[in-house]
Amino acid sequence: DGGITQSPKYLFRKEGQNVTLSCEQNLNHDAMYWYRQDPGQGLRLIYYSQIVNDFQKGDIAEGYSVSREKKESFPLTVTSAQKNPTAFYLCASSIGGRGTDTQYFGPGTRLTVL
Amino acid sequence: KQEVTQIPAALSVPEGENLVLNCSFTDSAIYNLQWFRQDPGKGLTSLLLIQSSQREQTSGRLNASLDKSSGRSTLYIAASQPGDSATYLCALFSSGSARQLTFGSGTQLTVLP
Repeated sequence: DGGITQSPKYLFRKEGQNVTLSCEQNLNHDAMYWYRQDPGQGLRLIYYSQIVNDFQKGDIAEGYSVSREKKESFPLTVTSAQKNPTAFYLCASSIGGRGTDTQYFGPGTRLTVL
Repeated sequence: KQEVTQIPAALSVPEGENLVLNCSFTDSAIYNLQWFRQDPGKGLTSLLLIQSSQREQTSGRLNASLDKSSGRSTLYIAASQPGDSATYLCALFSSGSARQLTFGSGTQLTVLP
């Protein structure tokens, strides 16, 4: 089955810890994205990558880091510098980074800071 | 900066009713508009994508329209069913938003049996 997988589904972090969220896709898509969703709000873009070894900051990149070493994988690290990391994190991919390309979403990871 | 608004935030309707969800945006220079469905605690599923040159798209009981001049899109759901209960989000890809999708905050729909 083709699709996007995110792991873990639930993640708990102590204050001051870095955590890494996994996102993998087997759709052969070039572009990948990370979004954050807070209750009652829309999605906000954290980072996006249009090709391997290249990525761009979104609106709320502070306190987050990413890497794109493989086409299939786009992990997101939530660092201790992120002041309010508790949220629902969604990964997406599209064939290319063009505005005409539909984005396909993974099932999400819910991060809770204890 | 593009801003996307969805009103109402929540809507309850009896089963079988036809309904309209609204999405408004401030910058008409858009490439396309998408409607997504999100079930509780889940990811997003794309329902319809309307290119800037189109005025509407249809899929089954769903019809989405786009009026760039007035900065509005509507999602029409015919003969609603309890299985339609979810949050519906609209998102725009516009030239003024650094090639990013800008999302509305969504309308939470409940269809009562």
